Amino acid sequence: QKEVEQNSGPLSVPEGAIASLNCTYSDRGSQSFFWYRQYSGKSPELIMFIYSNGDKEDGRFTAQLNKASQYVSLLIRDSQPSDSATYLCAGGGGGNKLTFGTGTQLKVEL
Amino acid sequence: GAVVSQHPSRVICKSGTSVKIECRSLDFQATTMFWYRQFPKQSLMLMATSNEGSKATYEQGVEKDKFLINHASLTLSTLTVTSAHPEDSSFYICSAREVQRASTDTQYFGPGTRLTVL
Repeated sequence: QKEVEQNSGPLSVPEGAIASLNCTYSDRGSQSFFWYRQYSGKSPELIMFIYSNGDKEDGRFTAQLNKASQYVSLLIRDSQPSDSATYLCAGGGGGNKLTFGTGTQLKVEL
Repeated sequence: GAVVSQHPSRVICKSGTSVKIECRSLDFQATTMFWYRQFPKQSLMLMATSNEGSKATYEQGVEKDKFLINHASLTLSTLTVTSAHPEDSSFYICSAREVQRASTDTQYFGPGTRLTVL
């Protein structure tokens, strides 16, 4: 069974700090990984995706992928209160459905 | 780009009635659309995968006769909850995957439909 694991949190960080969100996956056939942000009562919003080992940066966000360790992470620099949300990690491959983790709740405190 | 809409955003209905939810990709063609359900404080649950012009593929435990899915075009999929009951009350969210980027798995989500069955 394909699984994506995330710590449910909450992860609390002070404003301006770096938030580090982690995710592991069991299916070595997964080729692509996604980070979605979901505010309470809203639908998920795509933040970024990553296919290759290493880092991928987009503004304050950096996704990291390590296929050997089956590990994906999302770093949020200069965290803001507006970043407080649940972050969903998802894995997929070959045009199939995505497997979502249960999400990590992030709280950015003033 | 990659905007997905859903209608209605909120619906309240009586037990036993049917409710149709529309999912549209506004600025791209979607080979595949997905339907999810999310209960309060729980994770996304995939209900079914919908491919244009073919029958939907339902996840284990999802009643296909209760949750009717039609994907009539590359920009529209509908979910009909038939004979709705209070336990069907939930947040229903669709997502769509682009034709042009069929080799990728990126899904763009609609804003969701909150269904309340009285």
